[in-house]
Amino acid sequence: AQKITQTQPGMFVQEKEAVTLDCTYDTSDPSYGLFWYKQPSSGEMIFLIYQGSYDQQNATEGRYSLNFQKARKSANLVISASQLGDSAMYFCAMREGGRTGGFKTIFGAGTRLFVKA
Amino acid sequence: DGGITQSPKYLFRKEGQNVTLSCEQNLNHDAMYWYRQDPGQGLRLIYYSQIVNDFQKGDIAEGYSVSREKKESFPLTVTSAQKNPTAFYLCASKGHDSNQPQHFGDGTRLSIL
Repeated sequence: AQKITQTQPGMFVQEKEAVTLDCTYDTSDPSYGLFWYKQPSSGEMIFLIYQGSYDQQNATEGRYSLNFQKARKSANLVISASQLGDSAMYFCAMREGGRTGGFKTIFGAGTRLFVKA
Repeated sequence: DGGITQSPKYLFRKEGQNVTLSCEQNLNHDAMYWYRQDPGQGLRLIYYSQIVNDFQKGDIAEGYSVSREKKESFPLTVTSAQKNPTAFYLCASKGHDSNQPQHFGDGTRLSIL
């Protein structure tokens, strides 16, 4: 069965430094997609970055990059130059493949990031 | 602006009462979803719908019901059979391209009186 694992319940980072949030996944489907979302204390879910299983290059979006290691089944999020506003919960998610074709997404338990001034 | 609207923001349920959470989208998305989030936890899928008049159970459907009579609307009813309904409920929608992310509403916080 598909599964997403985030092993870091909480992380601290100094403002302006980079931080890596870990995500490992398990699937037998060769076609899948990986997403990262940010959830501030207000509760809304904000999409950050996407990586497809067939993408040759690691995805980047501004200060966010995804360190995709397919053989190790890991998709770690790297946030460069952390800002106080980055303090939030971060979720890794995986789109399931198969006949339903990307309609179902499973989420990890999340990592709470604290950025220190 | 296109988006997803959930209402109400806060909801209180009495014992033995059914309550309905509203979710409306104007993004013209086919797929819609309901998730439950408990404090400090990830999102768990309750129900999802890929098309009008069709929906599937997620991982924790017991005690919940949904309908999808219109493309724009996917209301969730929390029935009295759901013994622990206190949680944060998030509605999402997604376009046809499987690589697109889900778009989320702002959530409804449900509490037991």
